[in-house]
Amino acid sequence: NAGVTQTPKFRILKIGQSMTLQCTQDMNHNYMYWYRQDPGMGLKLIYYSVGAGITDKGEVPNGYNVSRSTTEDFPLRLELAAPSQTSVYFCASSYPTTGLPEAFFGQGTRLTVV
Amino acid sequence: GENVEQHPSTLSVQEGDSAVIKCTYSDSASNYFPWYKQELGKRPQLIIDIRSNVGEKKDQRIAVTLNKTAKHFSLHITETQPEDSAVYFCAASNHPGANNLFFGTGTRLTVIP
Repeated sequence: NAGVTQTPKFRILKIGQSMTLQCTQDMNHNYMYWYRQDPGMGLKLIYYSVGAGITDKGEVPNGYNVSRSTTEDFPLRLELAAPSQTSVYFCASSYPTTGLPEAFFGQGTRLTVV
Repeated sequence: GENVEQHPSTLSVQEGDSAVIKCTYSDSASNYFPWYKQELGKRPQLIIDIRSNVGEKKDQRIAVTLNKTAKHFSLHITETQPEDSAVYFCAASNHPGANNLFFGTGTRLTVIP
């Protein structure tokens, strides 16, 4: 049971480039989320999804896009990367309908935009 | 939206002493309060959580207390050990799921052997 898997672990982008951060979970969780963690800061919600085909904006969605075509996958797309998007990105999933709201996190993707 | 404030930002304690981290929240509708531990370079992991219908919850050396009237909750770690050294995040949510889980800015706890 792998849990939540993110790829890549590290990436350096040039300003204006685009990339997709991959996230997949094998726990059959309905809910999935993307957070960013800036140095010395907490986690801020970028986007979330309550199920396949449904996505919603979080606190800081600007500059990002997501899709949820399957229950397992929730990729995060960065278009026209900017230095302000330098951060560590965490994907997470949970299955609240069981009454267990715990969010399980992936190992993170460290992104640097130069 | 919800605003979660966490104090202190850093905390150093001697091994064996207790550590207390405090959080306040602004949305009275929040009803779920988890605490996450993040070791250096690793992902956040849930260590304990509490719902608004409970005032206190304990799990071995870790306890969480909740004061709904004052809108604050605290993490208590007793008999601290070096492996407790990490960044701890509190969070608040008004939904059983975590789709709107708002995190505090974190507390870096250092346990000095």
